[in-house]
Amino acid sequence: QSVLTQPPSASGTPGQRVTISCSGSSSNIGSNYVYWYQQLPGTAPKLLIYRNNQRPSGVPDRFSGSKSGTSASLAISGLRSEDEADYYCAAWDDSLSGPVFGGGTKLTVV
Amino acid sequence: QVQLQESGPGLVKPSETLSLTCTVSGGSIRSYYWSWIRQPPGKGLEWIGYIHYSGSTNYNSSLKSRVTISVDTSKNQFSLKLSSVTAADTAVYYCARAKADCSGGSCYGGGWFDPWGQGTLVTVSS
Repeated sequence: QSVLTQPPSASGTPGQRVTISCSGSSSNIGSNYVYWYQQLPGTAPKLLIYRNNQRPSGVPDRFSGSKSGTSASLAISGLRSEDEADYYCAAWDDSLSGPVFGGGTKLTVV
Repeated sequence: QVQLQESGPGLVKPSETLSLTCTVSGGSIRSYYWSWIRQPPGKGLEWIGYIHYSGSTNYNSSLKSRVTISVDTSKNQFSLKLSSVTAADTAVYYCARAKADCSGGSCYGGGWFDPWGQGTLVTVSS
């Protein structure tokens, strides 16, 4: 059971906008930054969003992050087939004194 | 740019110690924090621990009694040892650079992880 809660799956059609939610508590999302990772099939995770809504260089602006209270969301607009991947949220947890991950959301582009 | 590469045995017997090394290239290990993260087959990510180049460490409380992370700055490497392994420790093990971050007045070593190594599968089996 992951500390951060994500829906196990999400789907969308090419060109559509999809959002993936990440729910936590006051000890993690509620008081610290949220980070998002993309894991393409058979590869290592890659940083997608840091500090709630900041994109590393090279990440398309189709990807955006937001946070409100103890929840966060990753939005992908203009969905493409190459966006089909697993997406993980993460945050520092003050109670556990360490970073925690969500269980991951498998995004399918149908 | 900085690249990370894991190395070590792909098969470990139950009750023995898993040992992996991460070699950092394209940059010095003398900055940032350096972390180990694992992913059991078909499952999600689990943070194992991190080390600062100065040697200070922080471990996942669920693994703390079995984990040791060390750093060798002369070789630009850091290592993971996980003792008394069982089948539940079978996973792809990733090393990653951890960026310290500060939020709400407190700072922590495990902010975001970037970049990651390609990962190495370690199977625990007799």
